[in-house]
Amino acid sequence: AQSVTQLDSQVPVFEEAPVELRCNYSSSVSVYLFWYVQYPNQGLQLLLKYLSGSTLVESINGFEAEFNKSQTSFHLRKPSVHISDTAEYFCAVSDLEAGGTSYGKLTFGQGTILTVHP
Amino acid sequence: GAVVSQHPSRVICKSGTSVKIECRSLDFQATTMFWYRQFPKQSLMLMATSNEGSKATYEQGVEKDKFLINHASLTLSTLTVTSAHPEDSSFYICSAREGIYGYTFGSGTRLTVV
Repeated sequence: AQSVTQLDSQVPVFEEAPVELRCNYSSSVSVYLFWYVQYPNQGLQLLLKYLSGSTLVESINGFEAEFNKSQTSFHLRKPSVHISDTAEYFCAVSDLEAGGTSYGKLTFGQGTILTVHP
Repeated sequence: GAVVSQHPSRVICKSGTSVKIECRSLDFQATTMFWYRQFPKQSLMLMATSNEGSKATYEQGVEKDKFLINHASLTLSTLTVTSAHPEDSSFYICSAREGIYGYTFGSGTRLTVV
């Protein structure tokens, strides 16, 4: 069984400050890791994902996350946040289904509400 | 990119009535769709997994007779909340799996049962 723990339920920061949203996972098999962002009353949008290869993955809007297998972590970082980054962020993990051709079910963390203050 | 269209975005219904929520994959074939429920300030809880042409697989604790899922085509999956009650009020989100590329989420449906 897999599980995801987001260590902070709420993170308030000031605009242009750096931010880190923490995510730890547990799994007995190889996993694939995702960060999603959710704006109020909307679905989830993929921010970035780690499948294989370089452990540092980046999004188009300045976020990055680093897969750390030894610490079973996938923390999300941004060096300088904007007001528009205010949203809820979910870390998620999946594995490959039997046969290895499709992702399995996503397991989500509890979510972290990022609030950027002016 | 891949798009999943979910309708309606909001619905208010009377207690005891049924509500149908649709999710359509607009530019790809979704052999598998997932249905989630999200309570305020909480994470997404997987309710069921639907595969095109077969019965949905429900997670433990989810009433299959209350939450009917149909995935009759490669582009459409529906969730029907039958005999809805106020405790069924929630935010429901669908997600389609795109083979090896990942998941695409619908925009969600806010259900309020009065």
